[in-house]
Order: sequence, then C-alpha cells, then structure tokens
Amino acid sequence: QSALTQPASVSGSPGQSITISCTGNDSDVGSYNLVSWYQQYPGKAPKFMIYEVSKRPSGVSNRFSGSKSGNTASLTISGLQAEDEANYYCCSYAGTITSLLFGGGTKLTVL
Amino acid sequence: QVHLVESGGGLVKPGGSLRLSCAASGFTFSDYYMNWIRQAPGKGLEWVSYISGSGFIIYYADSVKGRFTVSRDNAKNSLYLQVNSLRVEDTAVYYCVRGYNGEPYYGMDLWGQGTTVTVSS
Repeated sequence: QSALTQPASVSGSPGQSITISCTGNDSDVGSYNLVSWYQQYPGKAPKFMIYEVSKRPSGVSNRFSGSKSGNTASLTISGLQAEDEANYYCCSYAGTITSLLFGGGTKLTVL
Repeated sequence: QVHLVESGGGLVKPGGSLRLSCAASGFTFSDYYMNWIRQAPGKGLEWVSYISGSGFIIYYADSVKGRFTVSRDNAKNSLYLQVNSLRVEDTAVYYCVRGYNGEPYYGMDLWGQGTTVTVSS
C-alpha cells in the first residue's frame, strides 16, 4: 500500500499557527481513529507527539493538536517557536495485513 | 529509566545477512508489542514489522516479507530482527520502537537511538 500523503514542507513565523495535513484513503486514515504524529530532529530518533488522532501523551505541549476529517488527518502547531523546526511524520493503522503506514514527512521551517 | 538500545548494524554486501538486537530496560517488556521501523538516508520512516508481547502475533511489511524475521526473548528483555537476502534498498537506520499502551496501533511511544545497516558491494 502507498504511504500517506503529506506536504513536503510548511513554514510559519514565530507565534503563528500552522497545519500539516496527512491524506490516506478509506482503508487507513478513513477507517480508523488511529493516527499518530511524530517529531524528528535531524540525526535524532522520532518523538511521539499525538495518538488516536487528537490525544497528547504526557509531557507534550498543548500547542500541538490533532484532528481528522474523512481520509485526512491534520496536525496543528499553535504559537510557533523556533524549537518546533523539525520534520513531522503521520502514521495510521491500516488493518491487520498492511498494519502501519507512515506519511512521507513534512519539513517545518520557522521563519 | 525506560530505555531501548539497538545493536548489530554494519556494512554488508548485497545478499548478506545481519542480526539486529534491541535491549529493553525500565518496563515490563513482555507487556508490549514491539516494532522495527527503518529510515533510509534522507528519507521518511517506514514500518518494517511488529511482534506481540507473547511473540505469537507477527506482521511484516510487504517489502521485507520472506527475508526478515522478527523474534523476541522476554526472559532477556530483548527484541531481534534477522535480516537476510539484503538489498541495497534495505540501507537504513533501524529503530526498535515500543507500541503505546502495549498495542501496535495507538502509536509508538519509546524509540531507541537506531542501528545503521549499510548494504553495498
């Protein structure tokens, strides 16, 4: 199955809000409320940011929020900070055969 | 402190094999599904495989099915990935990753630092 579709890059100024989309289909994002999001700095392991579409693990800033509509999930970062500049990946459960699909990743630049 | 530490990566020729290991500490290892996720140089994340806490439920990505074998030894708090018939396109950092809340589909909350596999002649 194909990877989920994310924009290659997004940018925003400090204090602004940005949204990163993650588009799948009826077999993955559209079928399950099991989308998660990860933040990755270059050369580092990813960090778990969002699970079950919109829930934040302990310790993750409430500036990060998730949502879903149909086959598209979204990650919104409000009050952008320089430290938010990183790559972001979505991931969706896609059933027992395909199991887990990642998006191609989005590079966030804080201007 | 909860920790995952991978080892076993290296440089191998096409067609070769390696055994990757992941040592877990700080949590009840047998309670958790565990995943292998890989990332090719300059590329995105790719799910490779997961295994249930008991070891009885295993799934693989199509790209590695028949060549990679995941296993675990709960007595040793260790996860393994036997990678055979390696191809140039298997070159990547391989991460050992814990399933959140013990399940494979909620998300992945604990990542190791990764071990690098390079396949080249």
